[in-house]
Amino acid sequence: AQSVSQHNHHVILSEAASLELGCNYSYGGTVNLFWYVQYPGQHLQLLLKYFSGDPLVKGIKGFEAEFIKSKFSFNLRKPSVQWSDTAEYFCAVRGGSYIPTFGRGTSLIVHP
Amino acid sequence: EAQVTQNPRYLITVTGKKLTVTCSQNMNHEYMSWYRQDPGLGLRQIYYSMNVEVTDKGDVPEGYKVSRKEKRNFPLILESPSPNQTSLYFCASSTGQGGLSYNEQFFGPGTRLTVL
Repeated sequence: AQSVSQHNHHVILSEAASLELGCNYSYGGTVNLFWYVQYPGQHLQLLLKYFSGDPLVKGIKGFEAEFIKSKFSFNLRKPSVQWSDTAEYFCAVRGGSYIPTFGRGTSLIVHP
Repeated sequence: EAQVTQNPRYLITVTGKKLTVTCSQNMNHEYMSWYRQDPGLGLRQIYYSMNVEVTDKGDVPEGYKVSRKEKRNFPLILESPSPNQTSLYFCASSTGQGGLSYNEQFFGPGTRLTVL
């Protein structure tokens, strides 16, 4: 069975600080990996996804994530956060199941 | 406009009163699913459907029913709601290409349900 864990439940940063949110998954085969963002009061939207190829994936709004197969990780990064990045972030993995499994989410608060 | 719609967006009901939350997508997606979102627990899958007349249980199916009679619709039914089903519910859909050529899920706007 596939599973995913996000280690940071709450992150508080000041504007211009760098961001890295951890995501580790468990599945023995080939996976698709996703990061979704949920802005306050809104539904989930896709930030970026990895299927194959270059393990460094660029997404919208300056986010990127790196797939490290040996570590079963897909961490999300942004070099300089903005107040508007305040949101909840979800990592998701799709391996053997047709529907992805989501992590518990990380709440990010960025202070102006 | 490609979208997933849910109705109602907000609902307050009482224990035991049957309710249905509708979900509809206009993208001709094969896969549809329901999630509930609770603080500290993230998104948990309730049921999913890989195509018309094909549904399966997710991680937390107890107390819920679904049906998939048409490709575009995937209603969530609570036959006898209880207070522990108070939550924020999201419907999602995605394409169903074979293998791992899988696109992201498109989410509806959410339904906030309160069961008194």
